[in-house]
Amino acid sequence: QVQLVQSGGEVKKPGASVKVSCKVSGYLFTDYSIAWVRQAPGQGLEWMGWIRTHNGKTNYAQKLQGRVTMTTDTSMSTAYMELRTLKSDDTAVYYCARLEMGAFDVWGQGTTVTVSS
Amino acid sequence: DIQMTQSPSTLSASVGDRVTITCRASQSISSWLAWYQQKPGIAPKLLIYKSSSLQSGVPSRFSGSGAGTEFILTITSLQPDDFATYYCQQYNSSLVTFGGGTKVEIK
Repeated sequence: QVQLVQSGGEVKKPGASVKVSCKVSGYLFTDYSIAWVRQAPGQGLEWMGWIRTHNGKTNYAQKLQGRVTMTTDTSMSTAYMELRTLKSDDTAVYYCARLEMGAFDVWGQGTTVTVSS
Repeated sequence: DIQMTQSPSTLSASVGDRVTITCRASQSISSWLAWYQQKPGIAPKLLIYKSSSLQSGVPSRFSGSGAGTEFILTITSLQPDDFATYYCQQYNSSLVTFGGGTKVEIK
C-alpha cells in the first residue's frame, strides 16, 4: 500500500539545523510531488513548501525562504527537508505529504522536532 | 499570499446534527479547495478535494461545495467519530495556505 515513512524525532539547540526524511513506497516516487507541512504545539497546519520529484523544482513558503531546502534522492524514493538556523518557534511536528489534484492525499506519520537550549 | 478564513473556530454539536463549516479565500481560487479532518496526535486525513470531490473511502455524509472565494464543508449527520478539527486548504499558483481550523466538539 502507499506509505510515507518519516525519520524519527529530533532535539536541537537554537541555531542548529535539522534534516527530516520521508521514504515513499507503494507507488512510483517521481509520479507525485511531495510537500512539507508543520504543526506547532496546539496550533494549526502550516505549509512549508513542496518539491516536484521528477525534476527537483521547489516552491517554498515566503516565511521560510532562505532557511529551508527540500531535496530528493530518487534512487532511494526519499524526500528530505532541511531547516537551518533553528529557533524555538520551529518546535513542531513536521509532516511530509503526497500532492495530488491540489490536495495532500497521503501523509507521513510526522516527525517531532524540538528546539531547546 | 492568499488568506483562508475559516468559521466558526469552534462548534458544539450533538450526534445526528447537520454541521456546516465555512472557508473564505481572500481572492478567487476557482475550485482548488480541500478539506481535512485531524484528530489529536494523528496526521490530517483528506476528506474532499477540488471543492466537492469525495476522497476514496470517506463516508458520504461528508460533502463540499463552493467556488471562487466561498466554500462549505457539510456533515449531514454527525457521528461520534466525527468529533475532530477540520481544516480547509487552498492551492493556487503553486502556493498553498491552510485555514485556521474548526474544532467540532460534543455539545
